[in-house]
Parts: sequence; structure tokens; C-alpha cells
Amino acid sequence: QVQLVQSGAEVKKPGASVKVSCKASGYTFTSYYMHWVRQAPGQGLEWMGIINPSGGSTSYAQKFQGRVTMTRDTSTSTVYMELSSLRSEDTAVYYCARGDVDTAMVFWYWGQGTLVTVSS
Amino acid sequence: DIQMTQSPSSLSASVGDRVTITCQASQDISNYLNWYQQKPGKAPKLLIYDASNLETGVPSRFSGSGSGTDFTFTISSLQPEDIATYYCQQYDNLPPEVTFGQGTRLEIK
Repeated sequence: QVQLVQSGAEVKKPGASVKVSCKASGYTFTSYYMHWVRQAPGQGLEWMGIINPSGGSTSYAQKFQGRVTMTRDTSTSTVYMELSSLRSEDTAVYYCARGDVDTAMVFWYWGQGTLVTVSS
Repeated sequence: DIQMTQSPSSLSASVGDRVTITCQASQDISNYLNWYQQKPGKAPKLLIYDASNLETGVPSRFSGSGSGTDFTFTISSLQPEDIATYYCQQYDNLPPEVTFGQGTRLEIK
């Protein structure tokens, strides 16, 4: 069965960077796009971007352009999301979510979420 | 960017009630509209994709309709386990773009 297992909670200082991982199993890693979505405490969902694990191509939401980098490691079936220049507003739960072959922009499977806290 | 207006932001209903949530897009999005359920402390769960298709395993009391700019999500008979926040999500493929509605918090009266 499809599983997306994310790395543990992080606490970072303003201005630092954070790198969250999402390890996939139960399917062919390179065949399905992966997204990152975040949710600030008590707030709604916000899409950050998408990565094609096959070739590594990415597309980021305009809001995060220049601050986010999504990468993948096909040898470990893991995707990564790195967010730099952290500020308090980046405190949120970060989710990876997988699309499907014909419906890449539908979030069929989700990771359990990783809480990133930005605090001095 | 496409904006999604979801309403209401919160809703209180009784067990057995019919519940309706709406989402309006700022421009025509065809049927590129999905609905998710999120319970506290959990990741969202896909319920409806492409406006009206029920995800496998999701109870048939959930349904979706609409196209273009106006969409509706319905629970035909509210059950206690349906207490959650519901989100609509629009998408475009080229270039990739996703926008979520603000969410609707559903409570039992």
C-alpha cells in the first residue's frame, strides 16, 4: 500500500533554513508527481509546489519562489522540501501529497505532516 | 491567480440533516475541483475529485456537483463521524497551480 512517511518535527530560528523529507513506499516512486502543502496553526491549506520525481523538474507557487527548493533522491524514494529565510509566519505543518498518473493535481495520498516551528 | 470563495466558513447541523457547502471560482475552471475532509490533527483526505467523482471507499452520502465557476458539496444525511473541516481545491495543469478554499468547519448541533 502507498505510504508517505515524513521526517520529525523541527524548531528553527528566524533566518534559518529547514529541510523536510518524505519517504515513499508501496509504488513506483518515479511514476507519480509529489506536492508540498502547508497549514499554519488554525489556518487553511496552502500549496507550495510540485516535483516530478522522474526527472526532478519542479514548479513552485509564486509566493515561495526564491525561498523553496524541492528535490528528490530516487535511490531512497525520498523527496525533500527546503525552505530558507524562515520567519515566524512559516510556522506550520508541512505535508507531502502524491498525485496520480492521469490526475497529477489531485492529492490522493498524504504524509502524516511535519511541524516546523520558527521561533527565536 | 484563481481565487476560491468557499462558504459558509462554519456550519452547525443535526445528525441526519442534509448539509451543503459551496465553492465559487474567480474564473472558469471547468471541472478541476476537488473536495477534502480534514479531522483535527490529521492530514486531509480526498473525498471527491473532478467535481463529482466519489473516491473509492468514500460513503455515498457524500457527493459533489458543478462546473465552470460554481460548485457544491453535499452530505445527504449527516453522521457524527462527519465532524471535520472541509476544503475545496481547484487546480490547473499548465502551468501547475493549486488554490484551496478557506475551509468549512462542520459541527454537530
